[in-house]
Amino acid sequence: KAGVTQTPRYLIKTRGQQVTLSCSPISGHRSVSWYQQTPGQGLQFLFEYFSETQRNKGNFPGRFSGRQFSNSRSEMNVSTLELGDSALYLCASSPGQPTDTQYFGPGTRLTVL
Amino acid sequence: AQSVTQLDSQVPVFEEAPVELRCNYSSSVSVYLFWYVQYPNQGLQLLLKYLSGSTLVKGINGFEAEFNKSQTSFHLRKPSVHISDTAEYFCAVTRGSQGNLIFGKGTKLSVKP
Repeated sequence: KAGVTQTPRYLIKTRGQQVTLSCSPISGHRSVSWYQQTPGQGLQFLFEYFSETQRNKGNFPGRFSGRQFSNSRSEMNVSTLELGDSALYLCASSPGQPTDTQYFGPGTRLTVL
Repeated sequence: AQSVTQLDSQVPVFEEAPVELRCNYSSSVSVYLFWYVQYPNQGLQLLLKYLSGSTLVKGINGFEAEFNKSQTSFHLRKPSVHISDTAEYFCAVTRGSQGNLIFGKGTKLSVKP
């Protein structure tokens, strides 16, 4: 089975712009979760989508949003970028139960200038 | 609220020596416990997980962890490390009803020849 893929791998934006990141889960997985990784805050949960519905949400401002399509692919959008949004954004897919292993993609490295 | 504490941010060790990476969690409800590894410029890979049953869990690459409910700990061990084990290791929990991972700050393992 192909693993979780994320595009693009690297992205450079300027403050105030918006960005869309994409995640393709492992075939058959219905849950996609997004995490932000920074040196200061570590790994933080953004949100989870299951069968096209947001099922769980972390403590991030409304500038961070996402969606999931019928084929389980997911996108994450960040509007009005701030310098502090520079991070590695990881997505993970799983069948959908809390006991299931989450499989991570390689991440998208976002740099905001 | 629940949290995960990794007591050591960096652990240097010589090749073929044993290593223990410590993890403590706090939660008022039952949790599931995970250890993930992150190699440079890559996503996270599951090493092992504890769901229930035997408190000693064996994972990939010769790693094992022991769940200790009374001490709320889930320490990761390997009897003999290799240069290739140099990476960052993350302990994480999920709560019974929700699948989002709550991560510790990570421990950087550096294996020296």
